[in-house]
Amino acid sequence: DAGVTQSPTHLIKTRGQQVTLRCSPKSGHDTVSWYQQALGQGPQFIFQYYEEEERQRGNFPDRFSGHQFPNYSSELNVNALLLGDSALYLCASSFGQAWDTQYFGPGTRLTVL
Amino acid sequence: SQELEQSPQSLIVQEGKNLTINCTSSKTLYGLYWYKQKYGEGLIFLMMLQKGGEEKSHEKITAKLDEKKQQSSLHITASQPSHAGIYLCGADDWDRGGGADGLTFGKGTHLIIQP
Repeated sequence: DAGVTQSPTHLIKTRGQQVTLRCSPKSGHDTVSWYQQALGQGPQFIFQYYEEEERQRGNFPDRFSGHQFPNYSSELNVNALLLGDSALYLCASSFGQAWDTQYFGPGTRLTVL
Repeated sequence: SQELEQSPQSLIVQEGKNLTINCTSSKTLYGLYWYKQKYGEGLIFLMMLQKGGEEKSHEKITAKLDEKKQQSSLHITASQPSHAGIYLCGADDWDRGGGADGLTFGKGTHLIIQP
């Protein structure tokens, strides 16, 4: 079992561009959550997907959007990138809302220049 | 919204010594989670606490939730180099739509083990 995988591992973009990050959940998991972790901070909840729909959303602007596919994999899209979007983006998968079985991926490091 | 404050922010401990990390919530904790993160990597789940006064142990790491369910501590006995990393506490945020969706995290405690 590969666990939660994320791609790419690193990404460099310039302000105003758009980016798509990808996540494949652990086998058997149906729920995917996305977090943003700025340097020196704890992860902040962006949103969660279940049954291909956004179930909950944190305090992030509409520039952040996502999608979940029938195979439970997910994408995070960020439009009109700002310097402040530079962070480690973490994907976590779980079965339903069982947080004690929530597995995190290694993250995608996004740098916006 | 719920806020979690961790202390200390960073900790340097000599190998073999014991240490304690604290996590304090502004609201009652319905579920408190401890994670470990190696620099720039994903989070590894350590333990979950739900009941006031609950205590759980895994190898040399013990976590407790106080009776009032507003503070948790993580204690490491006889620290080893493998314990180095960032320790994060996370909590269910029931303010968000009334459901426990997503976790609110503290800023983390950076633990360095000196040989």
